[in-house]
Amino acid sequence: EPEVTQTPSHQVTQMGQEVILRCVPISNHLYFYWYRQILGQKVEFLVSFYNNEISEKSEIFDDQFSVERPDGSNFTLKIRSTKLEDSAMYFCASSGSVGYEAFFGQGTRLTVV
Amino acid sequence: DAKTTQPPSMDCAEGRAANLPCNHSTISGNEYVYWYRQIHSQGPQYIIHGLKNNETNEMASLIITEDRKSSTLILPHATLRDTAVYYCIVRAPRSGSARQLTFGSGTQLTVLP
Repeated sequence: EPEVTQTPSHQVTQMGQEVILRCVPISNHLYFYWYRQILGQKVEFLVSFYNNEISEKSEIFDDQFSVERPDGSNFTLKIRSTKLEDSAMYFCASSGSVGYEAFFGQGTRLTVV
Repeated sequence: DAKTTQPPSMDCAEGRAANLPCNHSTISGNEYVYWYRQIHSQGPQYIIHGLKNNETNEMASLIITEDRKSSTLILPHATLRDTAVYYCIVRAPRSGSARQLTFGSGTQLTVLP
């Protein structure tokens, strides 16, 4: 069964450093998403991406964040200068249709120290 | 988008049917009801969705009332692995755009041995 793959599974970084979280969506999907979940809190939407541009973004997705689909298969989330409060699980998702049957990856646990 | 209301927690005996309710009294005509679940910090998992007819797949059944103001997700024979947080989300598709899913607090289903 096709799945969304995220790497790394766990990343530890120092405050102020840049991190890139990587995702390989399901191959024929067209809609891509990043969500995050701070420990013990709700799953929060960050950004959605379609047709090589951002469709929607939340207030969380400020100038420190960017997304890219560099090569037609990967989908990346970059955090330019990490803060302690960026520590969370980051989930990538993709969908093959305009509906919301999104498929999520297993997440990257980001720890900022 | 329509707001949803779910009980915060429910228990179910292993092997019995788990019936998870969701109230969405302000749903509009083009909004679908989606169900996802999250098993302990894993990525959310799509379960099922529907517009007005009842739906069934290999995971669950979705019963939507005739007035569409509420729905019930049914796991016919719950197992310990079905212990998870279940989210009911109401959303209207919009072509040409990847729209976010808004995860609330959901219902923590605990399947008891």
